[in-house]
Amino acid sequence: AQSVAQPEDQVNVAEGNPLTVKCTYSVSGNPYLFWYVQYPNRGLQFLLKYITGDNLVKGSYGFEAEFNKSQTSFHLKKPSALVSDSALYFCAVRVYNAGNMLTFGGGTRLMVKP
Amino acid sequence: SQTIHQWPATLVQPVGSPLSLECTVEGTSNPNLYWYRQAAGRGLQLLFYSVGIGQISSEVPQNLSASRPQDRQFILSSKKLLLSDSGFYLCAWIPWAGKGGYEQYFGPGTRLTVT
Repeated sequence: AQSVAQPEDQVNVAEGNPLTVKCTYSVSGNPYLFWYVQYPNRGLQFLLKYITGDNLVKGSYGFEAEFNKSQTSFHLKKPSALVSDSALYFCAVRVYNAGNMLTFGGGTRLMVKP
Repeated sequence: SQTIHQWPATLVQPVGSPLSLECTVEGTSNPNLYWYRQAAGRGLQLLFYSVGIGQISSEVPQNLSASRPQDRQFILSSKKLLLSDSGFYLCAWIPWAGKGGYEQYFGPGTRLTVT
């Protein structure tokens, strides 16, 4: 069965510093991996995905993620954090069934301080 | 372009009352549709998904039900609400048979408070 783990409940970073939000996965077969962001009282917004190809994936708002097959990780990164990046971040993996469901991690709250 | 709508945006209902939440998608045909519940601003729990009209799969047994009366309409219902049904309900869709990258697109959500 597919699963995703986000080991950090919260990540604190100063504005202008690089940020990393961690995600590890467990799948049988090739992983389809996703990152989403959620602002308070809003739906989830799609940031980026990895399906195949380059291990470094670029997405919206300057975010990128690095797929590492040997470490089964898909960490979200940004070179320079903004206060407006403060939000809840979810990693997800596709479930291989007819429903094309996603399994989500528990979420990581990112706090960027001025 | 495709858009997804949910209503109402917020709802306060007494215990034991019925529930109907609606989700509609515009600009696509035969999408897969999903209902999630998010408690305490944290993890997502998949409740139901649908791959076509009248086709509903339940992931979590509870007092909720879902229906898909039209191709782009997905309804979440309950006959009698429980306090534990409070939460943030999110609808999501993907293009038919994954004609895309399988990423799901989410609606704005409905905040339900059961009192």
